[in-house]
Amino acid sequence: DGGITQSPKYLFRKEGQNVTLSCEQNLNHDAMYWYRQDPGQGLRLIYYSQIVNDFQKGDIAEGYSVSREKKESFPLTVTSAQKNPTAFYLCASGQGAYYGYTFGSGTRLTVV
Amino acid sequence: KQEVTQIPAALSVPEGENLVLNCSFTDSAIYNLQWFRQDPGKGLTSLLLIQSSQREQTSGRLNASLDKSSGRSTLYIAASQPGDSATYLCAVGTYGGSQGNLIFGKGTKLSVKP
Repeated sequence: DGGITQSPKYLFRKEGQNVTLSCEQNLNHDAMYWYRQDPGQGLRLIYYSQIVNDFQKGDIAEGYSVSREKKESFPLTVTSAQKNPTAFYLCASGQGAYYGYTFGSGTRLTVV
Repeated sequence: KQEVTQIPAALSVPEGENLVLNCSFTDSAIYNLQWFRQDPGKGLTSLLLIQSSQREQTSGRLNASLDKSSGRSTLYIAASQPGDSATYLCAVGTYGGSQGNLIFGKGTKLSVKP
């Protein structure tokens, strides 16, 4: 079945550590997105990529980095520069906004 | 800058009631609107996608309408069931910029009591 796979489901980060969240899709979608969800804040866009080897910052890109070396994969690295990384992270993909978006099941990141 | 508002933030109803969730947006230059469902600790499940040229979409007990000129959409749930309890999010498809292509409201948390 086609879909988006996010891993791991839960992730714990120590202070000063970089961690990478995985997002893989087999829907053959060109565009991929990373959102952060906090209670009471709604979803906020971190980064998005509309084509391989190209990506753009969203509203809250500081402290995050991404790569898009393959169409299927869009990993997100939460760097030590992100001072409040504890949140629920959602990855999405789409074939042009006209067709809507498909979301993964999310990764919950906690700083310990 | 596009803003999406959902009212109410929370709603509790007895089982069997018909209910309406509201979504409003500030810029009518959208090309679609999508309703999602989110269960606690889970990802988003797409419920309905309405293109800007359409007035409504239906799926089972769900009906979503779109009035682009007034910047409003409603999600109608008929004969609600306890399994409908979840957070419902609406998102508008826009033409890019720093916000990307999909702008979300903060959601309505629905609780259906048996």
